[in-house]
Amino acid sequence: QSALTQPASVSGSPGQSITISCTGTTSDVGGYNYVSWYQQHPGKAPKLIIYDVSYRPSGVSNRFSGSKSGNTASLTISGLQAEDEADYYCNSYTSSSTPYVFGTGTKVTVL
Amino acid sequence: QVQLQQWGAGLLKPSETLSLTCSFYGESFSNYYWSWIRQPPGKGLEWIAEISHSGGTNYNPSLKSRVTISLDTSKNQFSLRLSSVTAADTAVYYCARGPWFGESLKLDPWGQGTLVTVSS
Repeated sequence: QSALTQPASVSGSPGQSITISCTGTTSDVGGYNYVSWYQQHPGKAPKLIIYDVSYRPSGVSNRFSGSKSGNTASLTISGLQAEDEADYYCNSYTSSSTPYVFGTGTKVTVL
Repeated sequence: QVQLQQWGAGLLKPSETLSLTCSFYGESFSNYYWSWIRQPPGKGLEWIAEISHSGGTNYNPSLKSRVTISLDTSKNQFSLRLSSVTAADTAVYYCARGPWFGESLKLDPWGQGTLVTVSS
């Protein structure tokens, strides 16, 4: 099972909105509404920010939102803040022999 | 507050067995799935294994022959063993609750991570 494809890096200025894509296949992203997103600051453990495509856990800022179209899921960060600078990973359930696959990861830089 | 605390040996020699334990605090241990994920230095995340509250297991096929995940409900702990390690197993290993929460899929929370280095 290959990793889901994410852009290596995305950048934006404070206050702007950015979108990170996560592209898979009909066997994973496109086939199930089981896409989650994780934020990871340097040297820290990942933190759940979106699950089941578009649900936000309690305590996560409403500046984070998720969506899906076909085989591509997206994470949008609105009102970009300096604290949003981190790595972001998507994750999906798959019908392959490996039931869960992560994305390649995206480094978000706040200019 | 729900949290996971993990521990285990951080330096191994090739062919040795990696052993990590994760303890869960703050809520009932029952009715959840529990997972291990790893991250090689400077690289992405890789799912390793999961175990259900009833003891059912699922492994990454690429590691299945070397991995065992187990559960000790009396201690609110679960563990990972990876045998015959090589330098390619050098990574930060994370424990996490999940991924299944009823009909939802998520890993939350995560342990603090343990860097395991394999070197002769």
